[in-house]
Amino acid sequence: NAGVMQNPRHLVRRRGQEARLRCSPMKGHSHVYWYRQLPEEGLKFMVYLQKENIIDESGMPKERFSAEFPKEGPSILRIQQVVRGDSAAYFCASSLVLAGRGELFFGEGSRLTVL
Amino acid sequence: AQKITQTQPGMFVQEKEAVTLDCTYDTSDPSYGLFWYKQPSSGEMIFLIYQGSYDQQNATEGRYSLNFQKARKSANLVISASQLGDSAMYFCAMREVAQGGSEKLVFGKGTKLTVNP
Repeated sequence: NAGVMQNPRHLVRRRGQEARLRCSPMKGHSHVYWYRQLPEEGLKFMVYLQKENIIDESGMPKERFSAEFPKEGPSILRIQQVVRGDSAAYFCASSLVLAGRGELFFGEGSRLTVL
Repeated sequence: AQKITQTQPGMFVQEKEAVTLDCTYDTSDPSYGLFWYKQPSSGEMIFLIYQGSYDQQNATEGRYSLNFQKARKSANLVISASQLGDSAMYFCAMREVAQGGSEKLVFGKGTKLTVNP
């Protein structure tokens, strides 16, 4: 069983460019979460999606950031016009359900560096 | 207000000894879940242990156990017989239910554990 797959693992962008991060959840999982981790910090919730729906985007910056989880294909986190402060590790996680002991299974993260 | 508090930025332990990593939480929801994750230097997040708010007994998973004190709102992770491979960041997290029923995990800032030979 393949785990949560994220790509790219490392991405370098110059200020003003766009970054696209992809996440394929574990087989059968319909809940996808994106988290951001700044250096020396914990994980901060960004967005929670189910297929074709954004359920909770309360952690997403109001501008430049968007996320989608289409009916077919991976979930995409898109950052437009990146700035240096966007440099971070972005983790995707998936679950069957989160209730009870349903845990989040994390990908290995995508590390974005903005020059 | 911080929902998950980990007061120990760093901890050191000798190999083969036990260590306790502290975690306190804040919630008014009677039903909640608490999780611990390990993040080694390679960066991935590894699930360790789960404690439900209604669980009668403290959770255990191999060398990991959770000292759950509900009245004090604490969920400390105990690692017994530490190994060099236990050196990593450890994150405590709580399942939070938002308005509309959305659920997510809220993480603490983590504790960096170093196991000395």
